[in-house]
Amino acid sequence: ELKVEQNPLFLSMQEEKNYTIYCNYSTTSDRLYWYRQDPGKSLESLFVLLSNGAVKQEGRLMASLDTKARLSTLHITAAVHDLSATYFCAVDMDSNYQLIWGAGTKLIIKP
Amino acid sequence: EAEVAQSPRYKITEKSQAVAFWCDPISGHATLYWYRQILGQGPELLVQFQDESVVDDSQLPKDRFSAERLKGVDSTLKIQPAELGDSAMYLCASSLRRGAAVNEQFFGPGTRLTVL
Repeated sequence: ELKVEQNPLFLSMQEEKNYTIYCNYSTTSDRLYWYRQDPGKSLESLFVLLSNGAVKQEGRLMASLDTKARLSTLHITAAVHDLSATYFCAVDMDSNYQLIWGAGTKLIIKP
Repeated sequence: EAEVAQSPRYKITEKSQAVAFWCDPISGHATLYWYRQILGQGPELLVQFQDESVVDDSQLPKDRFSAERLKGVDSTLKIQPAELGDSAMYLCASSLRRGAAVNEQFFGPGTRLTVL
């Protein structure tokens, strides 16, 4: 059974600090997606990672994928309050074109 | 910018009543997904369509839930009768098609269902 594990599940941090969210998965896949969800809202696509070594950056967020380690990271640089949200990673199942979702990391950034 | 449309945005109903949700995917997207998301959890896939055909409904509680996409465009998800445990956010997503190089899914705003 494919499992996608995110850690931490909850993260409270100060502005201007750096931190990393980890996404581990249990089967072979070379496609992984990161989404953001604000409270009470829907999911917004952040990054699409399609191969080993892929790195994408948008503002203070940077995502990377290591398919050999079955690991993706979402790095936050110099956090600001606006980045407070829940972040989900999702692994692409080639066999049925479905995404297997992590449990989400709730990020709270305090001024 | 193309978006996934859903309605209603909010629905309050009493248990044992019937409810229906509507979704219109991004134009040209052949694959459509219905998810249920309970507060504090990740999305749970209920049903996946490719055009008008159901690809996977293994997680759909078929005794009370039904879904259709008759013309392969918009879709309806129905619950009859609603139960207290059905209170959740119902999300619709679409992607280009099965077999595409990228299976990025685009989500609608969701329908927040409260069953009293």
